[in-house]
Formats: sequence, structure tokens, C-alpha cells
Amino acid sequence: KAGVTQTPRYLIKTRGQQVTLSCSPISGHRSVSWYQQTPGQGLQFLFEYFSETQRNKGNFPGRFSGRQFSNSRSEMNVSTLELGDSALYLCASSLAGQGRYEQYFGPGTRLTVT
Amino acid sequence: GDSVTQMEGPVTLSEEAFLTINCTYTATGYPSLFWYVQYPGEGLQLLLKATKADDKGSNKGFEATYRKETTSFHLEKGSVQVSDSAVYFCALLKTQGGSEKLVFGKGTKLTVNP
Repeated sequence: KAGVTQTPRYLIKTRGQQVTLSCSPISGHRSVSWYQQTPGQGLQFLFEYFSETQRNKGNFPGRFSGRQFSNSRSEMNVSTLELGDSALYLCASSLAGQGRYEQYFGPGTRLTVT
Repeated sequence: GDSVTQMEGPVTLSEEAFLTINCTYTATGYPSLFWYVQYPGEGLQLLLKATKADDKGSNKGFEATYRKETTSFHLEKGSVQVSDSAVYFCALLKTQGGSEKLVFGKGTKLTVNP
């Protein structure tokens, strides 16, 4: 079974631009979560989607948004990029349900904002 | 709120040494607990998990036991190898209103020398 895939793997953007990252979950997984990883803040939860609905959102500004499609693929968008948005963005998928199932991570998208 | 505390790194060991990485958590209820490992330039890989008190998770020679009384989930390995060099993250799975999210510790960098 194929793992979680993320595209692109690397991205360089300029301040003020916007960016869209894509995530394809493991087949059969309906929950997709996004995390931001930085050296200073560590791993922080961005949001979780299940059946095309955002079920939870972390403490990030409104510039960070996402969506999920009917095939469970998900995208996240960051508008008006800031230098501090430089990070590794990780997507994870799960069967989801009552806290019993583990989340499987993709390789991440390394975003650099200049 | 829920949180995870890991021992500060970095940890440097010689090959075949015994490894312990301490992890304690604060949470309401009894969340599932996980250890993830991250190799340079990669995403997170699930190493092991435990879903209830006294459960022992194990994989690739690593073990961790869910201790409710001490709210701990320490990672151990009897004999480390150079290939175990990586960053290790302890995490709990928080559920809220049907949503799930992982709460991570800061990570512990392990270097194993030949």
C-alpha cells in the first residue's frame, strides 16, 4: 500500500506571495492532518480534515487555510507569505476514530520564504 | 492543556550502549501514546505505540511502556546501532469533539558513534 505523498518536496517563495501544498493520504484513510515543523517551535498542529470538513484548527493566523476533496486528498494554502512561514510542512493521514488509530506522515514539503 | 515533555538532548552514545529517552505527559483522560522517529531530511516515521495503561509498544528493538501512575512513556533500547541516529519524538493523541490531533514533545536528537 502506498504511503502518504506530498508535493512539491521543496519550494522557494518570496515574501507576500501565496503557496499551495498538496497531500495524498494512504488509500482508505479519510482523516488528513497538517503540521508545521520549525527549529524554534517544534511540531505544531495546523488543522485536521475528515470527509471534506475541517474538524479542528490550531493556533495559526487566517493566512493558513486548507481543504479536503472527495477523494480525501488535501491541500493547504498560505497567503501573504512571511519569513517566519519558512518551515517543513508535514501531512499525516489516519483511519481516525476515538483516538485509537495512529497517524502516518508524508515526507513533508520544505518551504523557504525569502 | 495537554502537553508532552521529553528529556533535553542531544544524546550521544557509543554503539551497543543502552538507550533511555524519558517522556512524561499531561492530559485529561488516557490518550494513546506514540514514539515517532525522524531521519535527516525525512518526515516522521511511527516507531511504536500504546493505547492504554500498562501496554508495551515495541518495534525494531525499541520498547516503551504506558505508565498511568507516573504519566510516562519512556523509550528504551538495549543495544543501539549507528543507524539509530535520528531525532525521536514522543507524542499523545488528543481527541476532542470527534477531532484528533497529535501533541508532540520537543524531540531528542540521538547520535550513535561506532
